[in-house]
Amino acid sequence: EAGVAQSPRYKIIEKRQSVAFWCNPISGHATLYWYQQILGQGPKLLIQFQNNGVVDDSQLPKDRFSAERLKGVDSTLKIQPAKLEDSAVYLCASSLTTDSYEQYFGPGTRLTVT
Amino acid sequence: KQEVTQIPAALSVPEGENLVLNCSFTDSAIYNLQWFRQDPGKGLTSLLLIQSSQREQTSGRLNASLDKSSGRSTLYIAASQPGDSATYLCAAPNQAGTALIFGKGTTLSVSS
Repeated sequence: EAGVAQSPRYKIIEKRQSVAFWCNPISGHATLYWYQQILGQGPKLLIQFQNNGVVDDSQLPKDRFSAERLKGVDSTLKIQPAKLEDSAVYLCASSLTTDSYEQYFGPGTRLTVT
Repeated sequence: KQEVTQIPAALSVPEGENLVLNCSFTDSAIYNLQWFRQDPGKGLTSLLLIQSSQREQTSGRLNASLDKSSGRSTLYIAASQPGDSATYLCAAPNQAGTALIFGKGTTLSVSS
């Protein structure tokens, strides 16, 4: 069974530029999560989708971050414009549903904003 | 609001030693708790998932326990090996029971 796929693996941009990350969850997983992990910290949830609907985006900085999951499968997370403090690893995870199931994580995208 | 704390932040042990990593959480109304491993520059690998109805879960040399009443979980690693060197993260569901709240992790170094 293929795992969660993410691309790109690494990205370096200048502040005020825009960037997009892509995630393909495990086949059949209805729930998809985007987490932000700053160096030395545990991952923090940015947004959660159930199929193509948003379940929780309370910690997403909506003035600069956006995410979509149009067909209930792949998802894209965008930052526009980027700030220095957005430098982090962006992790995508998926699970069968939101209830009591394990979350499986992708390799992450390491973003450096200069 | 769920908060997860892990101690110690870092641990160094010689190969072969048994060790315990600690995790505490503030909201005990959880239905499961998950332990992850993270290697440098990599994503998270799920190690063990303990359901609230279970007291412990074992996988090879790893054993995780869950005590909801005290808000604590421990990850026991037997006969540690250099390949066990990584950061270990504990995560509990948020109050809505949806996404995970993570601790900051314990970085383990096992020397040969």
